[in-house]
Amino acid sequence: DQQVKQNSPSLSVQEGRISILNCDYTNSMFDYFLWYKKYPAEGPTFLISISSIKDKNEDGRFTVFLNKSAKHLSLHIVPSQPGDSAVYFCAADNAGNMLTFGGGTRLMVKP
Amino acid sequence: EPEVTQTPSHQVTQMGQEVILRCVPISNHLYFYWYRQILGQKVEFLVSFYNNEISEKSEIFDDQFSVERPDGSNFTLKIRSTKLEDSAMYFCASSYMSGEQYFGPGTRLTVT
Repeated sequence: DQQVKQNSPSLSVQEGRISILNCDYTNSMFDYFLWYKKYPAEGPTFLISISSIKDKNEDGRFTVFLNKSAKHLSLHIVPSQPGDSAVYFCAADNAGNMLTFGGGTRLMVKP
Repeated sequence: EPEVTQTPSHQVTQMGQEVILRCVPISNHLYFYWYRQILGQKVEFLVSFYNNEISEKSEIFDDQFSVERPDGSNFTLKIRSTKLEDSAMYFCASSYMSGEQYFGPGTRLTVT
């Protein structure tokens, strides 16, 4: 089942630069998308979300972009900080309150 | 800030034994969920619970699994007869409405 895919298992970025994490989905019934951050031995922490009626949502250093025609979303973190180093998951919901997760991207922000 | 809590943090059990994983969702939330993550794999949805009944469940959530909200605060996942392949991190989550789900720290279940 590959309804939500994160094709980059890891990403390394210099502190202060932009981090761009990507996510693709196949199910056109998904109408809500979320990004979670996860540290080892902890549960996923909600970061930011976007409804399918929007193409952008911004919250501080985090911006999520949604391209419905391409079935693609991305998370931009500007500026990146060493504390942002974690695994980032995108997740999608089809109004059934059941999230489908991608495989995660490990972000490493170097000082 | 309110958070979802889970106990125990680590549970070791023998194959065939019953286990109960416990969760205390955020107090004003109405929807409750269980997910699991097998080592090296994706986080997978198990079940959602609303208004004292299951609202959605995945294929993983077979007759060996059950959920209960025995009182106003706890939400439990029971596995009746554990198998080796049930070894995973189990995450409880809750939400006020549909949308953002807030996750607990997880229970690591090890079946030997």
